Amino acid sequence: DIQLTQSPSSVSASVGDRVTITCRASHSLGGNWLAWYQQKPGKAPKLLIYAVSSLQRGVPSRFSGGGSGTDFTLTISTLQPEDFAIYYCQQVTRFPYTFGQGTTLEI
Amino acid sequence: QVQLQESGPGLVKPSETLSLTCTVSGDSMKSSYWTWIRQPPGKGLELIGYIFDNKSPSYNPSLGSRVTISIDTSKNQFSLKLTSVTPADTAVYYCAREGALTAVSLDYWGQGTLVTVSS
Repeated sequence: DIQLTQSPSSVSASVGDRVTITCRASHSLGGNWLAWYQQKPGKAPKLLIYAVSSLQRGVPSRFSGGGSGTDFTLTISTLQPEDFAIYYCQQVTRFPYTFGQGTTLEI
Repeated sequence: QVQLQESGPGLVKPSETLSLTCTVSGDSMKSSYWTWIRQPPGKGLELIGYIFDNKSPSYNPSLGSRVTISIDTSKNQFSLKLTSVTPADTAVYYCAREGALTAVSLDYWGQGTLVTVSS
């Protein structure tokens, strides 16, 4: 299986800050087969970014994704109060599709 | 608007079979991949498997031969069966859709249902 390691595991930030979360894969993902999800307590994950850098419909433009090969990033340019949540990356290059362990974004 | 809703028992005894159904509205089930994911309390996400129309499903090898996913497009439902459950199978179970335009990513999710394995 392809292992995904997110860093940091948790991060404290303030409204208005810029935050970057990293996702490192154990093997190259080849094409653009990485997604990012946001999960709030008691809710299902929500798709933010697909194909490394494509913004899902309805997601604010302060979210952006990048990277290639084994190293990928999710950046939130100007944190808003509603952005405090857990973020997961997921690779869809090789089945079984796996998720990172999550990054908790705290106030 | 695509909506998914999980249903099934919230409590299953050890060694028995966990059975869940996902009811889909707002989409033709014949044109998408349908997926089950689970999340143990306080932990991360694990993909269980997926199915497309009447093609053979794909299962996470970590679950071995315990898992079966099936689909009934006439009822707009797909189902999950997990046999010989143990307390380690206690989790919130989600059903989700792989978006045709989102490069295999999961664009619609059910709200999730907690299944507890306990005697």
